[in-house]
Amino acid sequence: ETGVTQSPTHLIKTRGQQVTLRCSSQSGHNTVSWYQQALGQGPQFIFQYYREEENGRGNFPPRFSGLQFPNYSSELNVNALELDDSALYLCASSLPPSGSGANVLTFGAGSRLTVL
Amino acid sequence: QKEVEQNSGPLSVPEGAIASLNCTYSDRGSQSFFWYRQYSGKSPELIMFIYSNGDKEDGRFTAQLNKASQYVSLLIRDSQPSDSATYLCAVRSYGGSQGNLIFGKGTKLSVKP
Repeated sequence: ETGVTQSPTHLIKTRGQQVTLRCSSQSGHNTVSWYQQALGQGPQFIFQYYREEENGRGNFPPRFSGLQFPNYSSELNVNALELDDSALYLCASSLPPSGSGANVLTFGAGSRLTVL
Repeated sequence: QKEVEQNSGPLSVPEGAIASLNCTYSDRGSQSFFWYRQYSGKSPELIMFIYSNGDKEDGRFTAQLNKASQYVSLLIRDSQPSDSATYLCAVRSYGGSQGNLIFGKGTKLSVKP
């Protein structure tokens, strides 16, 4: 069983540029969530994808967008990068939604973005 | 604004002692509660989850939940230097998408040999 894999691991961009981060979910997991973790902070929910559609979003502007593909992999796109976008971007996958609320998230190693 | 509060620490305990990590949350509709461990520069890894009042034990770890007080804690018995990490408390609200966890800022634990 493979875990959650993310790419790239590190990247540097300049303000105003655009970035695409990629994630492959754990085998059997069809739900993918993205989080932003600034230095010294806890992860903040960006959005979730299930069945190739966004079905939950946190308090992030529209320049944060995403996709999910039929193989459940996902992309996070950020346009018009700002200095405050510098952070660790985490992808997490989970099993299909259930009524128990106890589905756990498995995180990838993250992509560390630096915006200069 | 739904919030999860944790003491940032650092919490320092000697090897072999019990480490007690605490977390409070603001949303009474919270349904599930998670503890993640995060080593410096790494991603969070799940230690335990709990969703019923009371205690839940798994090896050296015990999670405790008190919904009336909106309080959840994690006890680590026989603490080891390898337990030194930041511990993140996370909460899922009722009706929220399952990927939407609200995290605290984390408590940094240091276990001294």
